[in-house]
Amino acid sequence: IAGITQAPTSQILAAGRRMTLRCTQDMRHNAMYWYRQDLGLGLRLIHYSNTAGTTGKGEVPDGYSVSRANTDDFPLTLASAVPSQTSVYFCASSFRSAGYTFGSGTRLTVV
Amino acid sequence: GQNIDQPTEMTATEGAIVQINCTYQTSGFNGLFWYQQHAGEAPTFLSYNVLDGLEEKGRFSSFLSRSKGYSYLLLKELQMKDSASYLCAVRDSNYQLIWGAGTKLIIKP
Repeated sequence: IAGITQAPTSQILAAGRRMTLRCTQDMRHNAMYWYRQDLGLGLRLIHYSNTAGTTGKGEVPDGYSVSRANTDDFPLTLASAVPSQTSVYFCASSFRSAGYTFGSGTRLTVV
Repeated sequence: GQNIDQPTEMTATEGAIVQINCTYQTSGFNGLFWYQQHAGEAPTFLSYNVLDGLEEKGRFSSFLSRSKGYSYLLLKELQMKDSASYLCAVRDSNYQLIWGAGTKLIIKP
């Protein structure tokens, strides 16, 4: 692994189903983030974690949950998917005050 | 509220120069970032400004005026591969990044 790995790359999901998007980084960055990107709206922060064991809510947290059991992993769970959660999801990480490194994204379609 | 404004779309000619502007109103300021995002790909870091003035990095330069809440990204000697979206982001007083919606740059031969 080099950088941030997200899985799956893309997914079609039935409404009401539960899904976990995976994110793993090998840079030992302390902070990690989950964004969704929708056309015309830019990147919107869903949840973040400043360090292992802590998480916080971003701009659009409803319907999503996260955990940060260790430094490397930051999974995002949709408990019961709805069509409005159709989006491209990006995981990112940063070290202290440095810029963000992004994963390659997960394209999720909820039908 | 917090707000980042940048043009939705710009068009320029290969070999020319283009300036992409970004204005911001945020609760606090701890630096401004520019990212490049090609279609279907992740954003990648271009530049970072925390003090007023111009930062130059090859064909790309970024300028910041904190008193005016204003930044621009200057791209010189445009190449077709520069066709992408350019995202402006400001780190606020809570050290969270506030993102603009991005400027789609179209390069024509």
